[in-house]
Order: sequence, then structure tokens, then C-alpha cells
Amino acid sequence: AQKITQTQPGMFVQEKEAVTLDCTYDTSDPSYGLFWYKQPSSGEMIFLIYQGSYDQQNATEGRYSLNFQKARKSANLVISASQLGDSAMYFCAMREAGGGGADGLTFGKGTHLIIQP
Amino acid sequence: NAGVTQTPKFRILKIGQSMTLQCTQDMNHNYMYWYRQDPGMGLKLIYYSVGAGITDKGEVPNGYNVSRSTTEDFPLRLELAAPSQTSVYFCASSYSLNRNSNQPQHFGDGTRLSIL
Repeated sequence: AQKITQTQPGMFVQEKEAVTLDCTYDTSDPSYGLFWYKQPSSGEMIFLIYQGSYDQQNATEGRYSLNFQKARKSANLVISASQLGDSAMYFCAMREAGGGGADGLTFGKGTHLIIQP
Repeated sequence: NAGVTQTPKFRILKIGQSMTLQCTQDMNHNYMYWYRQDPGMGLKLIYYSVGAGITDKGEVPNGYNVSRSTTEDFPLRLELAAPSQTSVYFCASSYSLNRNSNQPQHFGDGTRLSIL
């Protein structure tokens, strides 16, 4: 079974609209962290936002927020007021305690977001 | 602010050739990682290191070797290149931390490798 599932291979959104990118995860570890990364066409991986499994509040970072629903094991990324520069691949990733303990990330397959003017 | 530096950025190899992908970081991070990203996919962990002299296998280690002689450097070695190793390779680093730390992994810009 996949540990990280991103069900939207691609999305088209009008500029200035809000965007929600879905991410569900699978773990039996009570202690884990969830990350979102942005990968523009230039290829680099840019860290956006983090949510810890014990965090009481949803994470926010500027225009990015995380809709964390622990019981449903979902960690959706919300981008408010989308901009043309938001066009990129977006990856959800998880760090959990098992599997060696060195905090390697497990990534989803990504969502390709295209912002249209 | 160099961060994580990978060289080369691009490389074409013939089947059976060998090469080393270089990775160095200047943030004094304990943990370092190598990932590969195949077209249309997320990243998969190849090897990781928790400190100088300590390395371990990730999800997809076959066909690769690593070493960690210093905190800064974590080279990835391909001994007998195969077409299945055509991919983009990312090196990353982070502080050693507990499971709930919000410290992210910092990534290099990647090495695009083609095996023909």
C-alpha cells in the first residue's frame, strides 16, 4: 500500500483563486511529520510547510496553509490567492519513526498545478 | 549561502560505465540523503547517512554505493551504469532531530543522469 497518496495528477486553476491539493497518508506510527515541497520546472525542491502529528493547530506559512485532519489521515495543502508563479509540481512527503530512523522522507507522486491568467 | 551543492548538473553515461555524483553541504548537518526521481514520480530514498562513517540503505539501494568520510560530503557511486538508472538524483541534508521536529530536509538542485 502506498504511504502517501496524491489523487490529483494535474490541476488547472484561475489566477487569484484558492487551491487545495490533496494528500492522504498511511502510518501506524503515532509520531510523524508531514511536509509539502514545490518543484518548479527548473527542478529544485523548495520546502513550503510542515505539520507534526502532535501539533494542535493547522500549520500556516504565508499564503500556504495545511488542512490537517488526523483521524482521516489527510494533510491537504491550501494555497490562497494563487499566482502565476505557483505553477509547479507539488509533493506531499512524510517522515515517520520506522524504517531506519534517519528521517528519510516518503514522497507521493505529486500534483502538477497550472495557474491560468 | 551555498546550502547543498551537487555536481555535475547533467551527465550522459554509456551502459557499464561508472561515475560518482558529488554532494557537499555547508550547513553542518549530520544527516544526508540521496534520492532519485523518475519521470512523473516522487522521490525515492537510495541511501542515507546519520554522520561521518555511518551509512545505510534506503528503499532503492541496488546498483549504488555511498561513503561519508566527512560531515560535509556524501558522494554517490554508480559502478555499472544501467538504463534503469536514468533519473534525476537529489542530495539532501538535515539536522539530526526528533520525529516531530519541523526542520525540513534541504535539497540540492539535482543531477540529471542519462544512461544510453
